[in-house]
Amino acid sequence: ETGVTQTPRHLVMGMTNKKSLKCEQHLGHNAMYWYKQSAKKPLELMFVYNFKEQTENNSVPSRFSPECPNSSHLFLHLHTLQPEDSALYLCASSQGGGADTQYFGPGTRLTVL
Amino acid sequence: GQNIDQPTEMTATEGAIVQINCTYQTSGFNGLFWYQQHAGEAPTFLSYNVLDGLEEKGRFSSFLSRSKGYSYLLLKELQMKDSASYLCAVSGTYKYIFGTGTRLKVLA
Repeated sequence: ETGVTQTPRHLVMGMTNKKSLKCEQHLGHNAMYWYKQSAKKPLELMFVYNFKEQTENNSVPSRFSPECPNSSHLFLHLHTLQPEDSALYLCASSQGGGADTQYFGPGTRLTVL
Repeated sequence: GQNIDQPTEMTATEGAIVQINCTYQTSGFNGLFWYQQHAGEAPTFLSYNVLDGLEEKGRFSSFLSRSKGYSYLLLKELQMKDSASYLCAVSGTYKYIFGTGTRLKVLA
């Protein structure tokens, strides 16, 4: 248990569905991250939030829309996804940005049909 | 460009020592991290190096040479539970960059 929780743990959705992933951290951290992990590829950073402000959008398609209402919660809203978006989506948090250790949630395994 | 290289897979025997190498080229350097990730689970922090040299933590040690862009993770007295992927990550100027991970199989 790292202090970062994610729901749901598994999600299957059609290409026309809209769904949201949720992440919550109980560590008092100020930075939160979304990563995508596909088989045989490095973890890909998607979005970074520092003190609720988005500081990084790593050329992510607009069908992924993040939301950070406060420093403890992070959402990833999904709509009209493609089958190649199927992956493990990991949330992480750190005290600050930069070189601080990141603590990861268990991830959401997403399958797009 | 920015790049992190590590071997895809390694196999070792229970009780042995294994060294997992990582080479990197990044814009800026604020530290190098090693994470362990068991199948279906979250990556968990193992070690952090920002200065050259060896950091030891129990059975695990991590080494860094900034001039060579090189690090290794050393695992001693291997146990079956050490079978996992080991991710090398570098904190650059603006963000973390991860390698693809090294899948370690520990055999009895």
